[in-house]
Amino acid sequence: EIVLTQSPATLSLSPGERATLSCRASQSVSSYLAWYQQKPGQAPRLLIYDASNRATGIPARFSGSGSGTDFTLTITSLEPEDFAVYYCQQRRSWPPFTFGPGTKVDVK
Amino acid sequence: QVQLVESGGGVVQPGKSLRLSCAASGFTFNNYGMHWVRQAPGKGLEWVTVISYDGAKKYYADSVKGRFTISRDNSKNTLYLQMSSLRVEDTAVYYCAKDPRRSDWYGSFDYWGQGTLVTVSS
Repeated sequence: EIVLTQSPATLSLSPGERATLSCRASQSVSSYLAWYQQKPGQAPRLLIYDASNRATGIPARFSGSGSGTDFTLTITSLEPEDFAVYYCQQRRSWPPFTFGPGTKVDVK
Repeated sequence: QVQLVESGGGVVQPGKSLRLSCAASGFTFNNYGMHWVRQAPGKGLEWVTVISYDGAKKYYADSVKGRFTISRDNSKNTLYLQMSSLRVEDTAVYYCAKDPRRSDWYGSFDYWGQGTLVTVSS
């Protein structure tokens, strides 16, 4: 099973600042990595698929990069609605499809 | 627009059974693989199971294999999760999620339902 780790666990930033979230895989997942955003009481929302492709309707301030074992989600300028928990997920090796433990982006 | 609406959650005793449903609309249901993903209270996301567009292929997480069964009724645009021999550790919000790929699955989740809470407790 591929294990995903995310860092940091919590990121405290102010609106307008840049957020950089990391996801590391225990073995190569090629580019088969997605990112999701989850707000309290809501279902997750797909942001990025296959490492760098924005999903439908996702603003351009969200971008993904990386391949192999190291990936980054960048939010160039945080909007108030971006404070949430972010999960990475791999589809390279399954079952199971696995998620990282999440990074919480909160207001500084 | 795509809508997924789960139902069937509730409080159940350990060892008992429960069936969840997910009603789909806004897309051609019988063209897409479907998943169940769960989230224990205050915890992260855990993939549970997937079913192909025609119901012919199914895979499960080890934690539920032999206890949970995924199925679908394409005539009713509905996905199901039959859960048996429930354990306290199965307590979670259960989400149904659509796979973005036509036919079998792609392995990411482009639309999610709002979730239904299953609480296993004596």
